[in-house]
Amino acid sequence: DAGITQSPRYKITETGRQVTLMCHQTWSHSYMFWYRQDLGHGLRLIYYSAAADITDKGEVPDGYVVSRSKTENFPLTLESATRSQTSVYFCASSSGQSSYNEQFFGPGTRLTVL
Amino acid sequence: KQEVTQIPAALSVPEGENLVLNCSFTDSAIYNLQWFRQDPGKGLTSLLLIQSSQREQTSGRLNASLDKSSGRSTLYIAASQPGDSATYLCAVRLGDDKIIFGKGTRLHILP
Repeated sequence: DAGITQSPRYKITETGRQVTLMCHQTWSHSYMFWYRQDLGHGLRLIYYSAAADITDKGEVPDGYVVSRSKTENFPLTLESATRSQTSVYFCASSSGQSSYNEQFFGPGTRLTVL
Repeated sequence: KQEVTQIPAALSVPEGENLVLNCSFTDSAIYNLQWFRQDPGKGLTSLLLIQSSQREQTSGRLNASLDKSSGRSTLYIAASQPGDSATYLCAVRLGDDKIIFGKGTRLHILP
């Protein structure tokens, strides 16, 4: 299906485990973003990528790792999950620095760390 | 450091009224500003995108304005409907591609 998808949609894990959240887009957008959304904090940027093999830190990158070997995929890994990483995670993409650089969001992944 | 503020945090208005949502940002050096709506438990839906060189954008009953010099944007919703009830978020895109969101305004349209 066309668009931006995230998997899994829901995940429960334990403290210290490694977790990978997947994001896939079919538009060949150059930019991709990972956010977390928490009550009281709103949406905060974790990492973003301007193109394959180019990634940059956002506002709250600690405890997260990203990679982008292919344009369409942008996985987010929590190397050793902590309870403070319980959140809803959103992936987004945009076409780049042009008049068509609107951001489009995936449906989100609700992650619970016990 | 860029900060984005949305006031009020929550708003209730009777159906049919016109309303304005506010978004302010501290640094005028933005690339663009985007308005979204978010329904409970859902992702974000893009409403309008305003480039830094533009003053406003319109889509149906929605009109968004941008005044970079004063660090403000407004989202005007005409003839509000119960289906407009949602949280509305604004986000500014900076020159280094970072994007900063406001915390949103939770809108409730009373039937």
